[in-house]
Parts: sequence; C-alpha cells; structure tokens
Amino acid sequence: DARVTQTPRHKVTEMGQEVTMRCQPILGHNTVFWYRQTMMQGLELLAYFRNRAPLDDSGMPKDRFSAEMPDATLATLKIQPSEPRDSAVYFCASGFSPLVYGYTFGSGTRLTVV
Amino acid sequence: TQLLEQSPQFLSIQEGENLTVYCNSSSVFSSLQWYRQEPGEGPVLLVTVVTGGEVKKLKRLTFQFGDARKDSSLHITAAQPGDTGLYLCAGSTGTASKLTFGTGTRLQVTL
Repeated sequence: DARVTQTPRHKVTEMGQEVTMRCQPILGHNTVFWYRQTMMQGLELLAYFRNRAPLDDSGMPKDRFSAEMPDATLATLKIQPSEPRDSAVYFCASGFSPLVYGYTFGSGTRLTVV
Repeated sequence: TQLLEQSPQFLSIQEGENLTVYCNSSSVFSSLQWYRQEPGEGPVLLVTVVTGGEVKKLKRLTFQFGDARKDSSLHITAAQPGDTGLYLCAGSTGTASKLTFGTGTRLQVTL
C-alpha cells in the first residue's frame, strides 16, 4: 500500500530551537496538507499545496512557521523559534484533487517543546 | 469560518450495542468525509458522501449526508471492540479541496 511518510516520528526540543518536520507524499498526488492536532483544538489546517504551489497558509503563525515543497517528493514544515505552545502532533496528508477519493494521512510527528 | 460540531464528544458502550454519531454545521458542504483515527496514527478515510440525502454502507457502518448537505450521521450496528477510536467528520466546499475537520467523537467499545 502506498503511504505518506513523515519524519521524525517524535521530537523533543528546547524552547527557541528550530524544528523541521518532513513529509514524503504519495507519488502522483497533487495536493499536500499540513495539519496540527491537539486535545483542545482538534485538527487544525496549517497550510496546503497543490502542484507544489502554496494555496493557503492562513492557519499558520507566519512569524515562526514556514511550509515549503522543494520538490514533488518532499514537503517541509519548519518552526523557528519553537515555543512550548507548539507542542502537538503534526500530520501531513496527500491526495489528488478533486477531493472525492479523500486524503491519505501520515502517522504524524509528535513534537514536544520544553 | 466553517465549524463542524460532532456529538457526542465521548461514547463508551458495550459490545453489541448500536450507536449514532452526528456531525452538524451551519455551512453547506460539497462533500463530507468520515475518518477513524487510532492512537499514534493518522486519520484513515472511511467514506465520502457528495449528494444530499445520500446513504452509504460499509459493513456495519451506515453513513448519511443530510438533504441540505449541512449535516451527516454515522450509525454503527452491533459495535465491536475493533470499532474503538476517534471518529472525525470533515467537510469540503467548492473546488478548494480544503478539509475542515469536526471536533471528533471518541468511541470506546468494551467486551
């Protein structure tokens, strides 16, 4: 089965440090999403790309977060500097627009900022 | 902002019981999906509904999209411990393909 691969699975870092999360979407998928999940807020959309172009990053704190797709096989989400409130599970998902067939999620990166 | 409210938030039932989870919004969606998420994993797509009034069945799970495409329900017949997980509805509008997720329903099925 094709899958979305996220690395690392777990990350513990100190406040102020830079964090980079990586995602390898399923080959052929043209849409990639970054979501953040917390108990309080649930799943929040941070940013998404279609054909590697950013379409919407309004859910992302722009002063510290950045999302890129340097090529079709890699999406990155960077936090600099990280803060304790960024602690969450970050999910990448990919799919093919239009949406009818749904999106495939990765297993997530659990980030803890201390 | 499109909000999808799910109810109940938590549900603990015994094996064999039936249950219904609701997903409600004031917004109209072009399509609505249901996902199930297990601990330590990402959500997994169960079904997509696109037509108002549509009903889809997946073994013991029945999904319905409201006539006005603002709400949906998931009914599970004879729940089993393997049904335990977080159930999420997610809606999309127009051609944006952007998914807005519901607040989630955490289901626990015990023996």
